[in-house]
Amino acid sequence: EVQLVESGGGLVKPGGSLRLSCAASGFTFSHAWMSWVRQAPGKGLEWVGRVKSKSDGETTDYAAPVKGRFTISRDDSKNTLSLQMNSLKTEDTAVYYCRNSGETFDFWGQGTMVTVSS
Amino acid sequence: SCELTQPSSVSVSPGQTARITCSGDVLAKKYARWFQQKPGQAPVLVICKDSERPSGIPERFSGSSSGTTVTLTISGAQFEDEADYYCYSAADNNRVFGGGTKLTVL
Repeated sequence: EVQLVESGGGLVKPGGSLRLSCAASGFTFSHAWMSWVRQAPGKGLEWVGRVKSKSDGETTDYAAPVKGRFTISRDDSKNTLSLQMNSLKTEDTAVYYCRNSGETFDFWGQGTMVTVSS
Repeated sequence: SCELTQPSSVSVSPGQTARITCSGDVLAKKYARWFQQKPGQAPVLVICKDSERPSGIPERFSGSSSGTTVTLTISGAQFEDEADYYCYSAADNNRVFGGGTKLTVL
């Protein structure tokens, strides 16, 4: 059974940093393209970015609002996905979901809440 | 354009057919998928590759595509289908979600 468990959320001041983690199990993590999606309170889903598998170059892509501030990385030895968030803004307040998707499947964690407020 | 446009809300009576559309230029070239999200829960994939239904998704859910528009159809909507629905597709190296449609079954 695929399991994705996010952690690391919390309250942070504008301009601060936070690092989210996602512990993965139930599938071959090293082969997976992994992504982060967020959802601001009462709003829709927003794609944040993704990292490809090492065999596909481990390249990353980011949505425009987070490019240059957020960094996605993976540790295949620990089956862990990370999201480093710097220069946080109030508009980054959201539930952050970790996601493993392919052509015909799409698994999500339960999310971790990040609140950016002074 | 990288945007996907959905109606903000759709209402349907139980047992009737609900249709939710999603429009965007990228849909003429890329597959779409649909997610269902209930309050306080993570999204669930209900349709992939425009019209394929993942295992475990009821047969009343179906998808279709025509040009720059994809449609999610729920045939014989049930009270448990009341949720937010999001379309999703690829745009170059980015991904984009539609704004979401609140489906009310009443």
